[in-house]
Amino acid sequence: GAGVSQSPRYKVAKRGQDVALRCDPISGHVSLFWYQQALGQGPEFLTYFQNEAQLDKSGLPSDRFFAERPEGSVSTLKIQRTQQEDSAVYLCASSHPMDNEQFFGPGTRLTVL
Amino acid sequence: AQSVAQPEDQVNVAEGNPLTVKCTYSVSGNPYLFWYVQYPNRGLQFLLKYITGDNLVKGSYGFEAEFNKSQTSFHLKKPSALVSDSALYFCAVETRSNYQLIWGAGTKLIIKP
Repeated sequence: GAGVSQSPRYKVAKRGQDVALRCDPISGHVSLFWYQQALGQGPEFLTYFQNEAQLDKSGLPSDRFFAERPEGSVSTLKIQRTQQEDSAVYLCASSHPMDNEQFFGPGTRLTVL
Repeated sequence: AQSVAQPEDQVNVAEGNPLTVKCTYSVSGNPYLFWYVQYPNRGLQFLLKYITGDNLVKGSYGFEAEFNKSQTSFHLKKPSALVSDSALYFCAVETRSNYQLIWGAGTKLIIKP
């Protein structure tokens, strides 16, 4: 079946613009995760959903970051008033409730000018 | 603080030789352990995991990893390297009380023909 998909794959934003990044998880996967990966670094946890419930948002770096998953499938990560330090690859992952292996999407590379 | 260490930024191996990519962790309890691989412009791909049982875990593409509880290590190994194994490898740990993955910084593996 289809894997995790993310769109757009690349996004260039001017500083101060708002951006929205989309994640389509694998069908039937209850858990959904967002990570931020800076160049040359491992992923850093941002937030976690179980179905539509956002159970942990402790990794969101500021209140400019907001994530939602209103119907328990597609998720959107929104960044308001983007700053240069927001430039990174944003990864989405999903997992089946009976398995703790996370399946990752290709990521969205955000560049803030 | 809980952490994962990949002490080598880069590992160079000649094709056909055995390879080892090191990982140690500092996490309370008995964590789940993972290895992921990342190819350029592609998402993270699951290689293998240790949950319980046999300390030697076999995974995708001929890779295996050995869990050593006393040394808190989970080194990735392959008996005979291929040029196509060249990629970025990440070790990750999930505590049994928390779904979050804690990631190492990654090791770049270069296999030379």
